[in-house]
Formats: sequence, structure tokens, C-alpha cells
Amino acid sequence: NAGVMQNPRHLVRRRGQEARLRCSPMKGHSHVYWYRQLPEEGLKFMVYLQKENIIDESGMPKERFSAEFPKEGPSILRIQQVVRGDSAAYFCASSPNGGRAPEQYFGPGTRLTVT
Amino acid sequence: DAKTTQPPSMDCAEGRAANLPCNHSTISGNEYVYWYRQIHSQGPQYIIHGLKNNETNEMASLIITEDRKSSTLILPHATLRDTAVYYCIVRVGESFQKLVFGTGTRLLVSP
Repeated sequence: NAGVMQNPRHLVRRRGQEARLRCSPMKGHSHVYWYRQLPEEGLKFMVYLQKENIIDESGMPKERFSAEFPKEGPSILRIQQVVRGDSAAYFCASSPNGGRAPEQYFGPGTRLTVT
Repeated sequence: DAKTTQPPSMDCAEGRAANLPCNHSTISGNEYVYWYRQIHSQGPQYIIHGLKNNETNEMASLIITEDRKSSTLILPHATLRDTAVYYCIVRVGESFQKLVFGTGTRLLVSP
């Protein structure tokens, strides 16, 4: 049973370019979460999505960041016009559909470097 | 979500039990205690969770005090690969909500 997959694992972008990060949840999981970890800091929640719906985006920066989880295909975190402060590790997690206290399973992360 | 308090760092000898404490004195009746760990640069790894009963799985045991204001994660036979930052998180059960990561405990397992 494959785990959460993220690609690319490493992404280098120049300032002003766009970054697209992809996350494929575990099979049978329809809940996806995105977290960001700045260098030497803890993980911070960004957004929680179910298929075709954004449930909680309280951690998303107001500008330049967007996320989607279409009916078919992976979840996408999109960062427009990247700046050096966007350099971080971005982790995706997924949860199973049932259970009283659903745990989250994390992917290996995408390390974004903005030059 | 309730706040948690963990020691910033702990040491453990390889092969010995590692006991990681967590205080969550303001936990509510419907909040679960979760433990995750992050091995250097990797994605966090789910370890175990519980509500009020002690729990055990292949990775660890979770002991929750009767008043639920604190808990202990026990790694029965620590190995070098258990060196990681361990996070204790409390959040409402029966819901799909974000995890709020604190600063965790950096566990160093030495030979």
C-alpha cells in the first residue's frame, strides 16, 4: 500500500516564478492537508481539503497561495510570484475516511528553494 | 485545541526505554492525545493516539493519567533510528482537523 506521494521532492524557482507542488494521498483517503516548515522551525498548518472542496484555509497566506484537490488527480499547492521567504519544506498529509480520531499520514515533502 | 508542554530535549541510551512526557492540563473531554515524530528532514510520522485508556502498538505505548492532564510516550527499546523530534498534540476527536505542532522534544539516542 503506497504511502502519501509528493513531487517534485526538490524544486528550485527564481523570484517571480510560479511553483506547483503535487500531493497524491494514500489509496482510499479523501482528506488532504498541507503544512509548511520554514528552516529551523516547526510545521505550520496551511490548508485542509476534501475532494473538490476547501474545508479550512485558515493557515494560507492571503495572497499568491492557492490549493485545490480535484475529483481526479492529485492535490496541488500553487505559489505564484515566489519570493525568497517562500523557501521551505512543504508537507502534505492525508487521512482515512472513517474512524473516530483519524490520524494523518505525511508524505516526504517538497523542498522549495527560491533563488 | 489544548496547549501541550514538553521538555525541549532528552537523552536515552540505546536499548533502554525512552519515556517522553507531555503535559496537557487544559485538555477537554473530547480531545485525543496524538504523538508524531519527525526524523531529520523527513515528513512527520504518526506514532500513536489515545483518549483515556492506555494504548500500545508495534511502535510505542501511550500512558495517559487518570485525570488526562498528562501523558507519557514510551519507546520500550530505543534504537539509534529513534533519534527524532517527538510531538505531543491534542485535538478534538471524531473530526478532521489540522494538527497544531509545538516545539516538541528532541530525543537523542546514543550508543
